[in-house]
Amino acid sequence: QVQLVESGGGLVKPGGSLRLSCAASGFAFRNSYMNWIRQAPGKGLEWVAYIGTGDSPIYYADSVEGRFTISRDDAKNSLYLQMNSLRAEDTAVYYCARAVDFGSNSYFDYWGQGTLVTVSS
Amino acid sequence: DIQLTQSPSSLSASVGDRVTIPCQASHDIRNSLNWYQHKPGKAPKLLIYDSSNLETGVPSRFSGSGSGTHFNLTITSLQPEDTATYYCQQHVNLPPYTFGRGTKLELK
Repeated sequence: QVQLVESGGGLVKPGGSLRLSCAASGFAFRNSYMNWIRQAPGKGLEWVAYIGTGDSPIYYADSVEGRFTISRDDAKNSLYLQMNSLRAEDTAVYYCARAVDFGSNSYFDYWGQGTLVTVSS
Repeated sequence: DIQLTQSPSSLSASVGDRVTIPCQASHDIRNSLNWYQHKPGKAPKLLIYDSSNLETGVPSRFSGSGSGTHFNLTITSLQPEDTATYYCQQHVNLPPYTFGRGTKLELK
């Protein structure tokens, strides 16, 4: 049974830092392309970051480039998101999700339940 | 970057209705368009990939169509459990992955 379980969310002040984790099981994590996707309150889904197999390539949305760092530990079947210089607009539920490449297309087939990050003073 | 437009942002229908949810891309994306169902407090769920391929385990009342810039998600006989927000998503080349803003489907 596939599971993605996020943790590490919480309340943080503007300018602060937080590290999210995602524990994966039930599929070949080492061979999977992993992502962070978020949903701000009342808003739609927004892709945040991508990490390929063997830690490459790595991509970020413009909105988080230079502030967030995605990483993985294949030995622990875990995905991480280090978030620095947090802003109020980073408040969202953060999901980890697996991407599958299908020809020129790519879609997200496995998702976690999400962890809430609130940035407020 | 390619933009995806989902309009209307919400719609209501009755149980048993045929419902069509549109998605328009700003540029030709061939058939590289995917659909997700998202219920509050739940993980988003993949319904359709590559415009018209039904994900394993998704009820056959869901179908997808379209290519180029115009796409549709169709529910042939709406069920109460289908109330959710539906998102289209594309990825033609490198990231960024793009989602539409979503269409919230409610029961009349």
